[in-house]
Amino acid sequence: DGGITQSPKYLFRKEGQNVTLSCEQNLNHDAMYWYRQDPGQGLRLIYYSQIVNDFQKGDIAEGYSVSREKKESFPLTVTSAQKNPTAFYLCASSSGSEKLFFGSGTQLSVL
Amino acid sequence: GENVEQHPSTLSVQEGDSAVIKCTYSDSASNYFPWYKQELGKRPQLIIDIRSNVGEKKDQRIAVTLNKTAKHFSLHITETQPEDSAVYFCAAITDKLIFGTGTRLQVFP
Repeated sequence: DGGITQSPKYLFRKEGQNVTLSCEQNLNHDAMYWYRQDPGQGLRLIYYSQIVNDFQKGDIAEGYSVSREKKESFPLTVTSAQKNPTAFYLCASSSGSEKLFFGSGTQLSVL
Repeated sequence: GENVEQHPSTLSVQEGDSAVIKCTYSDSASNYFPWYKQELGKRPQLIIDIRSNVGEKKDQRIAVTLNKTAKHFSLHITETQPEDSAVYFCAAITDKLIFGTGTRLQVFP
């Protein structure tokens, strides 16, 4: 069950607080992605990165930020500007842009 | 950009029956169509995929068909079993993977 690791499994955010979700992969994949999963809404793309030091906004990037300083790591920060952050967050990686391998997810809740 | 619609949102079948999930996409440039299965509390996993130069692909009890003209593709599961119960997501790709909203399949013994 290795390859792509997300932490923590559960995270709680206080109002006005920024929180960072970790995503690490040892698959030597160039591309990494962050998706948000809400009930009944499928997987919505937040940000993606196809190469180190470069990333693009997805469909719902507002209130989120990312960095890609290393090939193995793609952390996601949920900022205080994201007013409805409660969701299940999934990180994924791929060698091209097709077959995605997902992490086990982080459930973010607001206190 | 690409938009993927998926139907139905829920599907209940008796064990042994077939299940069909349908998706439509908007961007005619999309060229890769995977299907993911997500069991309760687990990560999505790729179960089958098809490229735009192929009309049908089978893998044991599951098959995917693609109609490029109509811009729709479908997942077919035959001889369903209780362990097939999960949420299934279709997706389409041009420069990035866009997912459908998911179908919750329940297989009753």
